[in-house]
Amino acid sequence: AQSVTQLDSQVPVFEEAPVELRCNYSSSVSVYLFWYVQYPNQGLQLLLKYLSGSTLVESINGFEAEFNKSQTSFHLRKPSVHISDTAEYFCAVSDGPIGGAQKLVFGQGTRLTINP
Amino acid sequence: DTGVSQNPRHKITKRGQNVTFRCDPISEHNRLYWYRQTLGQGPEFLTYFQNEAQLEKSRLLSDRFSAERPKGSFSTLEIQRTEQGDSAMYLCASKGTSGGTDTQYFGPGTRLTVL
Repeated sequence: AQSVTQLDSQVPVFEEAPVELRCNYSSSVSVYLFWYVQYPNQGLQLLLKYLSGSTLVESINGFEAEFNKSQTSFHLRKPSVHISDTAEYFCAVSDGPIGGAQKLVFGQGTRLTINP
Repeated sequence: DTGVSQNPRHKITKRGQNVTFRCDPISEHNRLYWYRQTLGQGPEFLTYFQNEAQLEKSRLLSDRFSAERPKGSFSTLEIQRTEQGDSAMYLCASKGTSGGTDTQYFGPGTRLTVL
């Protein structure tokens, strides 16, 4: 069975500081990896995903994540955060190959709080 | 806006009552997923449909829960004889299955409070 561990439940940082949100997964099969963001009282929005190819993936708003197969990690980073990045961030894993349920297994989430 | 929609957004009910939620997926998506999210936790998979067929159900989906997708378009999730432990956010997501469609798109969720 697949599982995801987000190592930090809360991460407070100052505006314009760098941040890293940690995610480790376990799976016996090849996987797809995702980061979703959830703003208060809203649904989940896809931030970025790793399917195959380059292990470094980027989002349009400055976040990036690196797939590390040997360490089974998919940490999320941003070099300089803004107040608007305050949200809950979820790491998720699904079966890799096309076919099957491809249901998402989520971590418990990391609450990112940006202080001015 | 052609995203995933869910209704109602909020539902307050008394213990023992039945409730039904609706999800309208993105129109060309043939897969539809239901998840439940309790406070402070990540979403947990409940069930999914490919077109009108319900292909998998989680152990979390007790006999009091039933989901349908009668024409392969919208879906409903019904909870019978609600319990306080059913209080949660119920999320719906949809995705296609043709090439390059590996992303699940989520609706805003229905927040259920059982008194």
